[in-house]
Amino acid sequence: GAGVSQSPSNKVTEKGKDVELRCDPISGHTALYWYRQSLGQGLEFLIYFQGNSAPDKSGLPSDRFSAERTGGSVSTLTIQRTQQEDSAVYLCASSPGQGTDNEQFFGPGTRLTVL
Amino acid sequence: SQQGEEDPQALSIQEGENATMNCSYKTSINNLQWYRQNSGRGLVHLILIRSNEREKHSGRLRVTLDTSKKSSSLLITASRAADTASYFCATDGTENTGFQKLVFGTGTRLLVSP
Repeated sequence: GAGVSQSPSNKVTEKGKDVELRCDPISGHTALYWYRQSLGQGLEFLIYFQGNSAPDKSGLPSDRFSAERTGGSVSTLTIQRTQQEDSAVYLCASSPGQGTDNEQFFGPGTRLTVL
Repeated sequence: SQQGEEDPQALSIQEGENATMNCSYKTSINNLQWYRQNSGRGLVHLILIRSNEREKHSGRLRVTLDTSKKSSSLLITASRAADTASYFCATDGTENTGFQKLVFGTGTRLLVSP
C-alpha cells in the first residue's frame, strides 16, 4: 500500500547544472502531475500525464524543463541549466485518472536548491 | 494564473475555537477539493464537494459551496494545535479538454495555539 514516492528528498546543485527528479506514483493510477511550490506560495502546475495521451505541458515555465513518463508509471522531471529561480519544492501527485473525482495523492516533494 | 484565491492568507486562533477559510474561483467547476499541507511538503486530501452539492461534512470539517458566487468555505470546528498547517482549495474545471487538471489556490496558513 505504498503512496507516491519522490527522490531525492533534497537536492542542492550549482547554477548551470542539470537535475533529474523522480516520481513513483501509486500503482494503477493513470494520471500523474508535477507541481512547483516556491517558499510560502501556492502550487504552480507544471505538467500532467494521463495514460497514453499526449501530456499537458502548458505549465512548464521554459524549454529548460521537460518531463517524461515511462511505461505509464515512473516519471522524471528534468531541469537543464538550472537557475537560482528554479529553487523550490517540486511536488508530484497521482490520481486514478479520468472518470473519477480526481482526488490527487501527493508525494513528499523534492526540495531543490540552486546555488 | 491560479484560479483559486483563499482568504484570509493567514489565520491565528486558540485551541477550541473554530477556523473558517474561504476560497473563490473564476470558472465553472465539476468539483472543489480542500487539501492540507504540513511544513511545505506533500498535500493531503481532506474533502471533495461536487458542483451540485451545497454542504458536506467530514468529522470536524464542514465545507460549503456556492456556485452562484463561485466560492467555498472550509470550517474546522474545535480546532487543535495539530490542525496547524496550510490549507488549499483546488478546482476541477469543466473545460472539455479531456484532462482533469486541478487548479490550486494560494492557501491559508492556519496557526492554532495551545
